[in-house]
Amino acid sequence: EVQLVESGGGLIQPGGSLRLSCAASGFTVRSNYMSWVRQAPGKGLEWVSAIHSDGNTNYADSVKGRFTISRDDSKNTLYLQMNSLRADDTALYYCARGPNLYLPFDSWGQGTLVTVSS
Amino acid sequence: EIVLTQSPGTLSLSPGERGTLSCRASQSVGTKYNYLGWYQQKPGQAPRLLIYGASNRATGIPDRFSGSGSGTDFTLTISRLEPEDFAVYYCQQYVTSPFTFGPGTKVDIK
Repeated sequence: EVQLVESGGGLIQPGGSLRLSCAASGFTVRSNYMSWVRQAPGKGLEWVSAIHSDGNTNYADSVKGRFTISRDDSKNTLYLQMNSLRADDTALYYCARGPNLYLPFDSWGQGTLVTVSS
Repeated sequence: EIVLTQSPGTLSLSPGERGTLSCRASQSVGTKYNYLGWYQQKPGQAPRLLIYGASNRATGIPDRFSGSGSGTDFTLTISRLEPEDFAVYYCQQYVTSPFTFGPGTKVDIK
């Protein structure tokens, strides 16, 4: 069974840093395109970043230069390093598998909440 | 960046009625294959993939959900609404990064 479990969220002051983790089971992270998607309270879905199986990365303009996506193949885990956090980064952060071949995001974690506030 | 527009913003229907949701892209999301997906999200839950490739149901999705369209105009149809179908529905393009989502259509009980 495919499972994604996020962790690492919390309350952080503006300008601070946080690293999110997404532990995967039931499939191999390094063989898939993996993404982070966020959802601000009461708002819609916003794609944040993705890492391809070949290691290439993509970012939304809103986080480029501040966030870094990576993975640890030995731990089958995806990460999102978030620096210079701002109030508008407050959101529930989901990791998702995809897009791969003809599929979009076919599996999602339950999310981890990041709150940026002083 | 491909911008997705969804309409209506809210759709008020009764159980058993048919629901038709629209998604329009600012540019084509594919030629031979439409890289357009639909998701359902209920309060407090992660999104769930319903449709991929504009018209293919994901694993375990009931056949009352169907997708259609190509190029820039797409439709999600729920043939007969069940009580568990009242939720927010998002379309998403995955032909190119950034993999943008539409703003969502909320389907609520009339």
